[in-house]
Amino acid sequence: GENVEQHPSTLSVQEGDSAVIKCTYSDSASNYFPWYKQELGKRPQLIIDIRSNVGEKKDQRIAVTLNKTAKHFSLHITETQPEDSAVYFCAATSNSGYSTLTFGKGTMLLVSP
Amino acid sequence: SAVISQKPSRDICQRGTSLTIQCQVDSQVTMMFWYRQQPGQSLTLIATANQGSEATYESGFVIDKFPISRPNLTFSTLTVSNMSPEDSSIYLCSVVVGQHQPQHFGDGTRLSIL
Repeated sequence: GENVEQHPSTLSVQEGDSAVIKCTYSDSASNYFPWYKQELGKRPQLIIDIRSNVGEKKDQRIAVTLNKTAKHFSLHITETQPEDSAVYFCAATSNSGYSTLTFGKGTMLLVSP
Repeated sequence: SAVISQKPSRDICQRGTSLTIQCQVDSQVTMMFWYRQQPGQSLTLIATANQGSEATYESGFVIDKFPISRPNLTFSTLTVSNMSPEDSSIYLCSVVVGQHQPQHFGDGTRLSIL
C-alpha cells in the first residue's frame, strides 16, 4: 500500500519568513495530493491540493509543488503569519479523493510574532 | 461545500461499554469515511462506509469492534464497541461530494474511556 513520509515534524519560523514542508510517497500510481491544516481542537481543513498532471499550484501565500519522478511534493507558505500556526498534514491517493487517503504524520508549524 | 455534523462532539465512557457516533451531511455525498486520530497523531482510516452494504475496513480494524452503518447517501454511524482506554481518540467522519472532489471532515468526536 501507499506510504507517505513527511518532514519536518516541527518547524518554527519568524513572522514574515517562508515555511516549507516536504512529503514523499511510495506508490507511483498516486495522482492526487491534498494538504490539510488542523488548528488545535479543530477539524482538518483542506488548504490546497494538486493533481499529478500539474507541477505547481498557487493560492495567494500558499503553493504546492509536485515532482512525480522523485515522488515528492512540498507545501510552501510565504510571508507567514501567527495564524498560520497549526499542524499540517499531507496526503496521497490514487483516485482523486474517491479512494482512501494515506496521511503523513504531520508537521507542527509555529510562527512567532 | 457540504455541511457535516457529528454527534456527540465529545463523551466520557466507562470501559466495556459501547458508543455510537453519528455523521449527518446536509446533501447527498458519494463517499463517507471514518478516521481515528489518537492524541498528537495523524489520521488513520478505519473504514469506508458503503451505502446499503458492509463497510470496507482497513488493516487492523474489524467489524466486531467498529460496526458501521450507512443507510443512505447523507448519514452514517460508527460504533466503538467494548471500549478500553486504548480507544480514547478523536473519531472523524469525512465525505466526498462527487467525482474528483476532495475529502472534507466533520468536527470529530472526542472520546475518553475511563
